[in-house]
Amino acid sequence: EVQLVESGGGLVQPGGSLRLSCEASGFTFSRYWMYWVRQAPGKGLVCVSRINGDGSVTTYADSVKDRFTISRDNAKNTLYLQMNSLRAEDTAVYYCARDNYALEYWGQGTLVTVSP
Amino acid sequence: EMVMTQSPGTLSVSPGERATLSCRASQSVSSNLAWYQQKPGQAPRLLIYGASTRATGIPARFSGSGSGTEFTLTISSLQSEDFAVYFCQQYNTWPRTFGQGTKVEIK
Repeated sequence: EVQLVESGGGLVQPGGSLRLSCEASGFTFSRYWMYWVRQAPGKGLVCVSRINGDGSVTTYADSVKDRFTISRDNAKNTLYLQMNSLRAEDTAVYYCARDNYALEYWGQGTLVTVSP
Repeated sequence: EMVMTQSPGTLSVSPGERATLSCRASQSVSSNLAWYQQKPGQAPRLLIYGASTRATGIPARFSGSGSGTEFTLTISSLQSEDFAVYFCQQYNTWPRTFGQGTKVEIK
């Protein structure tokens, strides 16, 4: 059974940093592109970043470029999102998702709140 | 950035009735279009990919159609568990973009 479990969310002050993790199980992690998708309270879904199977290719939404860094450790079956210089508008539930054309499997999400 | 526009914003339907949801892309996405269902407090669930292929375990009452810029999700006979928000998403180009969602509510 495919499982994705996010962790690392919480309350952080503007300008602060946070690292999210997503632990994967039930599939060969290194074979898949992985995504981070966020959803602000009561809002829609936004793809934030993605990374290919071996970690050599990464892409970012303009809104997070130069502030967020996606990475993965295939030995640990874990995806990461390092978030720096956080802003109030980064407040959202952050989901990790496995790509297979569309986003086939999703984690339960972790809430990031950026507030003084 | 590709803009995805869904209509209507809210759809009021009685159980057992058909629901038809629309999604329009600002440019052609070929058939690289997915539909997701999201219930309150839950992660989205993939329903349809490739515009018309049901994901694993998705009931046959869900069907998708369209290509290019115009797409439709049809739920043939709404069940109580189908009342939720539905999002379309294009995966033809980066950034992958979602529509704003259609809420299907009980009439």
